[in-house]
Amino acid sequence: GENVEQHPSTLSVQEGDSAVIKCTYSDSASNYFPWYKQELGKRPQLIIDIRSNVGEKKDQRIAVTLNKTAKHFSLHITETQPEDSAVYFCAASYGGNQFYFGTGTSLTVIP
Amino acid sequence: ETGVTQTPRHLVMGMTNKKSLKCEQHLGHNAMYWYKQSAKKPLELMFVYNFKEQTENNSVPSRFSPECPNSSHLFLHLHTLQPEDSALYLCASSPGSGGAVDTQYFGPGTRLTVL
Repeated sequence: GENVEQHPSTLSVQEGDSAVIKCTYSDSASNYFPWYKQELGKRPQLIIDIRSNVGEKKDQRIAVTLNKTAKHFSLHITETQPEDSAVYFCAASYGGNQFYFGTGTSLTVIP
Repeated sequence: ETGVTQTPRHLVMGMTNKKSLKCEQHLGHNAMYWYKQSAKKPLELMFVYNFKEQTENNSVPSRFSPECPNSSHLFLHLHTLQPEDSALYLCASSPGSGGAVDTQYFGPGTRLTVL
């Protein structure tokens, strides 16, 4: 099956700086890569996703890049704000309703 | 948010109790999922139902028993649990189109503590 690794496990940045979280996957058949944000005591919420037919996707301050050759994808948050503080999860799927999640990155944005 | 709801939000039970977790989705989706979220571990997919049929059972112990009476409701029946089963149990749903991989939407979770 698929194996997803996520780094770093914790990340602290100053407000206004950028944050980058990276995930690697093992199965080249994976073709869908969502990112979720989970604030303390709340549900995971999809913030951005990318499919294997594109290399980059951007939504305001959030972007995701995918390198299929190297089997890694990254979440980029620019101009970070305190409300970006949360745990971020990556996931990979090759279909069949089966999703494989990373272990999460706890992001702290210091005002 | 009312798309995917879960009850109860918190549950404390002894190892000999029987309880059930409930999930309901109001998004018109056809696929529903149970996940277990433990500290410092990846989300673990437990069960998947697509159009009311169970399609995935990821080697989950039999003390967890899912039930999907219709596409909008999903239950997780619990009996003779162990303390290591204490975790946040998340329900999710997705369109279940059967084509491209679906986007999942999560419920708020049930925080389960087994004494």
